Parts: sequence; C-alpha cells; structure tokens
Amino acid sequence: GESVGLHLPTLSVQEGDNSIINCAYSNSASDYFIWYKQESGKGPQFIIDIRSNMDKRQGQRVTVLLNKTVKHLSLQIAATQPGDSAVYFCAEINNNDMRFGAGTRLTVKP
Amino acid sequence: SQTIHQWPATLVQPVGSPLSLECTVEGTSNPNLYWYRQAAGRGLQLLFYSVGIGQISSEVPQNLSASRPQDRQFILSSKKLLLSDSGFYLCAWVPQGFHYGYTFGSGTRLTVV
Repeated sequence: GESVGLHLPTLSVQEGDNSIINCAYSNSASDYFIWYKQESGKGPQFIIDIRSNMDKRQGQRVTVLLNKTVKHLSLQIAATQPGDSAVYFCAEINNNDMRFGAGTRLTVKP
Repeated sequence: SQTIHQWPATLVQPVGSPLSLECTVEGTSNPNLYWYRQAAGRGLQLLFYSVGIGQISSEVPQNLSASRPQDRQFILSSKKLLLSDSGFYLCAWVPQGFHYGYTFGSGTRLTVV
C-alpha cells in the first residue's frame, strides 16, 4: 500500500477538548480500516481498527466512525492531551492490499 | 513477543555516497517485510516488499534497492545517493499471508547533503 504524496492537513485543539480527525477513503470495496498514530521521529503505531460491517468502534479515549455511504472514516479523541500530538493516518484494506491516507497533523495547545 | 529494529536512527550522507539501512525482526518467522519512505510533511510511499528470503518486489523504480539475505533481515541500499533520497525510512512487518496491519520500526532519518 502507499499513500498520496500530499502536504499534510493540520488540526489544532486545546488541551481537554475533543478532537475529530477525518479521512476520505477511495475504494468502496475496502472492508477493513486502521488508524495509525505517528509521533515525531517515530514509526506509526496502531491505534484502532474497524471492519466494514460496523459503523462505530470504541477504544480507550478513541472512537472510530465509519460511513460507507460517503466513504468517510473519522477518529475521535476524547479529552485530548499533549501526548496526543502526532500525525494520524488512516489506512483502507481491500483484498489484502493496504493503502494509507496522507495523514493529519494534530497539535494540542496547553 | 515480536519486535522490529531499525538502524541507524539518523544518518547524514553526502550526495554520491552509498547507503545501507538495516531492519531486523525478532520473535517471528517468515514475515512479510516492507520498506516505506516518508518525505517531510507527506504520506507514506511503499518502496519495496518481500514475502521471503531473496524475494523482493519493487513498487517504485528509483535509485534504491532492497535485499533480504536472511529470513528476518531486510536491507535498503543505494550505490550513489541523490538529494531527493532524503526522507524518513520506515521498515515494517506483518505475518506471512497478510499485507496489512503492519508493525512499523522506529524509522531512520536520512539527510543527503
């Protein structure tokens, strides 16, 4: 898989607020989705995943929403903390092929 | 448990010099291995992947090459670096038979000067 080489969109939120990071995916046949978090100078880390037969999945402080009608995926982070500052990537998987979104840079202001 | 190691963490190399980045995986056998590049402020670009020893697939024709001399070792090389080779290089692995849900290494920041 690979991602489109676009400059990253950014999102700036106040500490304690909720964050919503969006991702538009390209293939309506994709049946599995992953969100990764990449802190500065580190490799991406798995956060949460969701299968296409679900529209919502919750983890610890994170929720992923899937809207297959408009091919849209979102990651909601509750009570955003400074440690949440990172680049967040979505990935769509179809038939064993994974493609990454370009990523969104989240900055948390104290 | 499985772990993935990449080194070096940072590297500054002159144009025209050779490159060798190494990635090793522990705690698993016969993984699928991947090399990605991430330019500053940009997304992930798949460079190479390998499903077994000596088996390398190239996704993007370029100045780089990859080798897998051992089951859990993946090496990214170049004979002569270009300025455009600068970036953040990530190795990743996934169990055999899968091509998603990677575990990434910590990355190598390469600056070609």
